[in-house]
Amino acid sequence: DTGVSQDPRHKITKRGQNVTFRCDPISEHNRLYWYRQTLGQGPEFLTYFQNEAQLEKSRLLSDRFSAERPKGSFSTLEIQRTEQGDSAMYLCASSLALAAQETQYFGPGTRLLVL
Amino acid sequence: AQTVTQSQPEMSVQEAETVTLSCTYDTSESDYYLFWYKQPPSRQMILVIRQEAYKQQNATENRFSVNFQKAAKSFSLKISDSQLGDAAMYFCAYTLIIQGAQKLVFGQGTRLTINP
Repeated sequence: DTGVSQDPRHKITKRGQNVTFRCDPISEHNRLYWYRQTLGQGPEFLTYFQNEAQLEKSRLLSDRFSAERPKGSFSTLEIQRTEQGDSAMYLCASSLALAAQETQYFGPGTRLLVL
Repeated sequence: AQTVTQSQPEMSVQEAETVTLSCTYDTSESDYYLFWYKQPPSRQMILVIRQEAYKQQNATENRFSVNFQKAAKSFSLKISDSQLGDAAMYFCAYTLIIQGAQKLVFGQGTRLTINP
């Protein structure tokens, strides 16, 4: 078990381009979360999957954002027509749903810079 | 809206001393969880300690302990015998339970510096 991994670790793009990030959760974790963290702030919830089903989306997730988790394994987060305000660290976390002791394990994040 | 407030943007402590990080939260729920997460520079966030709101006993994990005051909606973290490796951003977080999942709401963080 190597923990939650994210790829790429860094991404620089020009405004208007599309970008896609990947998250590989800890194997057998059935829940996967995406958060966004801007400089000097705590992470903010974006969306959540239970297996392959996307069950909750934040209002922060505009129509330009889409997330998938095919087959309930890895997940992708795509941002279309990027804007400078999208610059942030995008964090993925996974967990195993248990009765009381669910713990979210975070990946190292993908740092996005939109020029 | 549920919010988490960390009023100390930065804290520093001498190595081997004790430091307390403050956190307050606002919620109308009666059952929830509280967490402290640690984010070292350029490294991933890791869980330090958790507290279930229905438990009166304060959680402890080795050198880390909390002071949970439910009526005051306060959840402070005490780090005893501070070590250089404790230097990090510390985030207090509260969970909203949505469709069974834990949607974490984070504070703005406290940057902890350990002075050798």
